[in-house]
Amino acid sequence: IAGITQAPTSQILAAGRRMTLRCTQDMRHNAMYWYRQDLGLGLRLIHYSNTAGTTGKGEVPDGYSVSRANTDDFPLTLASAVPSQTSVYFCASSDDRNYGYTFGSGTRLTVV
Amino acid sequence: GQNIDQPTEMTATEGAIVQINCTYQTSGFNGLFWYQQHAGEAPTFLSYNVLDGLEEKGRFSSFLSRSKGYSYLLLKELQMKDSASYLCAVRDLLRGSARQLTFGSGTQLTVLP
Repeated sequence: IAGITQAPTSQILAAGRRMTLRCTQDMRHNAMYWYRQDLGLGLRLIHYSNTAGTTGKGEVPDGYSVSRANTDDFPLTLASAVPSQTSVYFCASSDDRNYGYTFGSGTRLTVV
Repeated sequence: GQNIDQPTEMTATEGAIVQINCTYQTSGFNGLFWYQQHAGEAPTFLSYNVLDGLEEKGRFSSFLSRSKGYSYLLLKELQMKDSASYLCAVRDLLRGSARQLTFGSGTQLTVLP
């Protein structure tokens, strides 16, 4: 692994189903983030974690949960998917220097 | 709240120069970032400004005026591969995680031959 790995790359999900998007980094960055990107709305922050064991809510947290059991992993869970959660989801991490982000390649999720 | 405004679309010709503007309003400003995003791909880092002035990196330059809440990204000698969305992002120490970035909606640049 070099950087951030997201899985799956894409997924079609029935409404009401539970889904976990995976995110793993190997850069030992303390901070990690989940964003969703929708046409015309840009990237919006869902949840963040400043360090292992801590998480916080972003701009659009409803319907999503996260955990940060260790430095490397930051999974995003949709407890009961709804069509409005159809989006491209990006995981990102940042180091403790200038706080610029490294992004994963994204997960394209379609809820039907 | 935090507002970040940038034009939705721009078009320019190969070999030309284009300037993409970004204005922002924030209480605890601590840095402005520009990212490039090609269709279907993840954003990639272009530049970072925290002090006023111009930062130059090859064909790309970024300018910041904190008093005006204004930045621009300047792309010189445009190439076809520069066709992409350009995202302006601001870090605000007073907002949620002090490290988080808030993004504008992006400017879709099309470079024509």
